[in-house]
Amino acid sequence: GAGVSQTPSNKVTEKGKYVELRCDPISGHTALYWYRQSLGQGPEFLIYFQGTGAADDSGLPNDRFFAVRPEGSVSTLKIQRTERGDSAVYLCASSTTYGGETDTQYFGPGTRLTVL
Amino acid sequence: AQKVTQAQTEISVVEKEDVTLDCVYETRDTTYYLFWYKQPPSGELVFLIRRNSFDEQNEISGRYSWNFQKSTSSFNFTITASQVVDSAVYFCALSDLYNFNKFYFGSGTKLNVKP
Repeated sequence: GAGVSQTPSNKVTEKGKYVELRCDPISGHTALYWYRQSLGQGPEFLIYFQGTGAADDSGLPNDRFFAVRPEGSVSTLKIQRTERGDSAVYLCASSTTYGGETDTQYFGPGTRLTVL
Repeated sequence: AQKVTQAQTEISVVEKEDVTLDCVYETRDTTYYLFWYKQPPSGELVFLIRRNSFDEQNEISGRYSWNFQKSTSSFNFTITASQVVDSAVYFCALSDLYNFNKFYFGSGTKLNVKP
């Protein structure tokens, strides 16, 4: 079975532009997560989806960041008016969740975003 | 508040040496989960182990072993007879009942295994 996939693997954009990052979770996984990893740091939680709904978006840094998962599978992280400080690796993970018990999150390879 | 501390930023060893990576955590809950992930140069986080707070038994998987000590809030990871392929950044992570789907990661330990 395929793992979590993310596209593009690299994205270079100019300050002020809009970007979309895509995540395709493991088939059958109902939970999907976005994290941001800055250089030399561990991943930081951004948002978590259970099915189509965002169950916890407390990690989104501001209203320039938005994520959707319209059909409960693929998710898109959208960043408006990008800033240089948004440069990081954006990681996506997915898991199965049984009755609320924490399940292991499986990560994709990430999208490296560079804002010039 | 939930927090994971990996005080060792970088460790270098020579192949075949044993190495222990430290992880200390903080949580307000009695039910929580601890994880270790490996991030090789390719960048993808690879799951290594998951442990819940009620299971304090140490675990061994091949050359890998984990020591969970609730009394000191530590979940240390030992690689025996290290190999060059073990070179990577290793992350410890925590989740608990207040935020069971939100993982808190440490800042990672970069392990360099030299031939």
